[in-house]
Amino acid sequence: QKEVEQNSGPLSVPEGAIASLNCTYSDRGSQSFFWYRQYSGKSPELIMFIYSNGDKEDGRFTAQLNKASQYVSLLIRDSQPSDSATYLCAPRGDYKLSFGAGTTVTVRA
Amino acid sequence: EAGVTQSPTHLIKTRGQQATLRCSPISGHTSVYWYQQALGLGLQFLLWYDEGEERNRGNFPPRFSGRQFPNYSSELNVNALELEDSALYLCASSLAPRGGNEKLFFGSGTQLSVL
Repeated sequence: QKEVEQNSGPLSVPEGAIASLNCTYSDRGSQSFFWYRQYSGKSPELIMFIYSNGDKEDGRFTAQLNKASQYVSLLIRDSQPSDSATYLCAPRGDYKLSFGAGTTVTVRA
Repeated sequence: EAGVTQSPTHLIKTRGQQATLRCSPISGHTSVYWYQQALGLGLQFLLWYDEGEERNRGNFPPRFSGRQFPNYSSELNVNALELEDSALYLCASSLAPRGGNEKLFFGSGTQLSVL
């Protein structure tokens, strides 16, 4: 079983809609998570860090963490074409330094 | 402040040759990480160096090796290149990790093509 699994995309959403990305993890020791965004042909960049149960909001992005269910999600509200990218989930404190395979989001104008 | 820099941007080699990729971390960062990203695939962890020591290694054969220098820059060496080594190699750096990985800042990568 992979340590970090993400919903397989690609995910296509119309402009202005909400994109919902999910990530589950098998290591109960993982307490906090990073979300990275990778545009095609570019390197990943950190967009969110969440360490507490519940929601964390940053602009149009909301990360949700449920430690009991070993589930973290990323919501992109009012999706814009500039949000079209691959989103990667990564647990902090993971000595395997693993990333999820990523979910590719395409926002249709 | 300069970000993570990698060189060369592109590297073309033939099967059996050796490739050397270089990375300079952000000033103040002591940890350097190497990842392989084959076309259309996710990030595969290769190596992690901190304070000059190899801290962890991914599931790659020994012909993938590296080192970290006293100035925290790093080098990734791939010996006996194979066609499937063709990929984007990303270097990332972070502050000293307290319990595993910290926030990673990535370089632009080296695109290695093995012919």
